[in-house]
Amino acid sequence: NAGVTQTPKFQVLKTGQSMTLQCAQDMNHEYMSWYRQDPGMGLRLIHYSVGAGITDQGEVPNGYNVSRSTTEDFPLRLLSAAPSQTSVYFCASSPGQGWEGIYFGEGSWLTVV
Amino acid sequence: AQSVTQLGSHVSVSEGALVLLRCNYSSSVPPYLFWYVQYPNQGLQLLLKYTSAATLVKGINGFEAEFKKSETSFHLTKPSAHMSDAAEYFCAVRGGNAGNMLTFGGGTRLMVKP
Repeated sequence: NAGVTQTPKFQVLKTGQSMTLQCAQDMNHEYMSWYRQDPGMGLRLIHYSVGAGITDQGEVPNGYNVSRSTTEDFPLRLLSAAPSQTSVYFCASSPGQGWEGIYFGEGSWLTVV
Repeated sequence: AQSVTQLGSHVSVSEGALVLLRCNYSSSVPPYLFWYVQYPNQGLQLLLKYTSAATLVKGINGFEAEFKKSETSFHLTKPSAHMSDAAEYFCAVRGGNAGNMLTFGGGTRLMVKP
């Protein structure tokens, strides 16, 4: 049972570089999302998707881009990394609306220097 | 708009003492409420969830939470703390916002003293 798989787990970037955080789920979930975790702020929603081909912005979308070409994959792109994007990133998926459980990946630790 | 407030960013208890982590929420629709635990350098693990059935919800590792609509609260408790409970705990609400995604509180770090 793979669940939600994120790669890479750790990454160091230089300011201005771009990169993609990968997220894949094997549970055929409709909903996928990306959060960032910063001390004292909990997790904040960056972008989310309610199905293949459908994405929307969350609370803190600036500097990030997403696409959802398949049900399984939901990559997060940093277009031009900034030190303020140093954070822990979590991908999550869920079957859909209501009380269904939300499943998180193990997290990706990103440092921008 | 939804929001979650966790009172106390750090809580310290002695081993064997009662654990009480506070969570208050605001939601424009009947909420689904969750508690997650995060151990150092790990992801989030679901402790328990409220889905409009019983107001007292039991979770894993001896934790439970009570939904009180009149107080808009969903506090997490455990009768007797264990050293292994030291972690960060997040309260979250789902429902009524964009895509029905989770809105998290700021987290409470629980420290357990021997």
